[in-house]
Amino acid sequence: QQKVQQSPESLTVSEGAMASLNCTFSDGTSNNFRWYRQHSAKGLEVLVSIFSDGEKEEGRFTAHLNRANLHVSLHIREPQPSDSAVYLCAARNNYAQGLTFGLGTRVSVFP
Amino acid sequence: EAGVTQSPRYAVLQEGQAVSFWCDPISGHDTLYWYQQPRDQGPQLLVYFRDEAVIDNSQLPSDRFSAVRPKGTNSTLKIQSAKQGDTATYLCASSYRGREQYFGPGTRLTVL
Repeated sequence: QQKVQQSPESLTVSEGAMASLNCTFSDGTSNNFRWYRQHSAKGLEVLVSIFSDGEKEEGRFTAHLNRANLHVSLHIREPQPSDSAVYLCAARNNYAQGLTFGLGTRVSVFP
Repeated sequence: EAGVTQSPRYAVLQEGQAVSFWCDPISGHDTLYWYQQPRDQGPQLLVYFRDEAVIDNSQLPSDRFSAVRPKGTNSTLKIQSAKQGDTATYLCASSYRGREQYFGPGTRLTVL
């Protein structure tokens, strides 16, 4: 079964500095990947979905996928205090519609 | 467009009690998912439906958990005889034809 690992566990950044999060998956069976944001006591908000190698940008959020390295990253440009949340990486393959999530990275953005 | 709604938002039980969670998906979404998210972990799929049919319930602890979606719209997840290890947030999500999943706010369960 696919395993998803995220790093770092937590990240503190200053407002306006770039924030970078990483996600590695255990095998090449997944073909689509998502980054979600979860504010405390709230549901998950999808930020970026990416299906092919390369880069995909959605506003201030950019995902990079490298299937050969089993790696997907998320970069947050000009983070704001309201971006403070847990960021979750998720993978999915054609054979199962359920998502496999990592444990998350807790991001704190200070003014 | 209304999002996925869930109720109750919070539940506190003693071990051995039963509890039901209710989910109303986005109108027109044929696929509905239930996830369990223990504290400080990512969500883990429990079961999902396409219309009223269960597609995958392999991760559902079948001896105490059950889930139904009788008319292919709303869904109920029930825990019989809750245990402390069931303490978690229960998330419902829906999608159209397996595309993007949209999540509800979750029900936070505490079993004492």
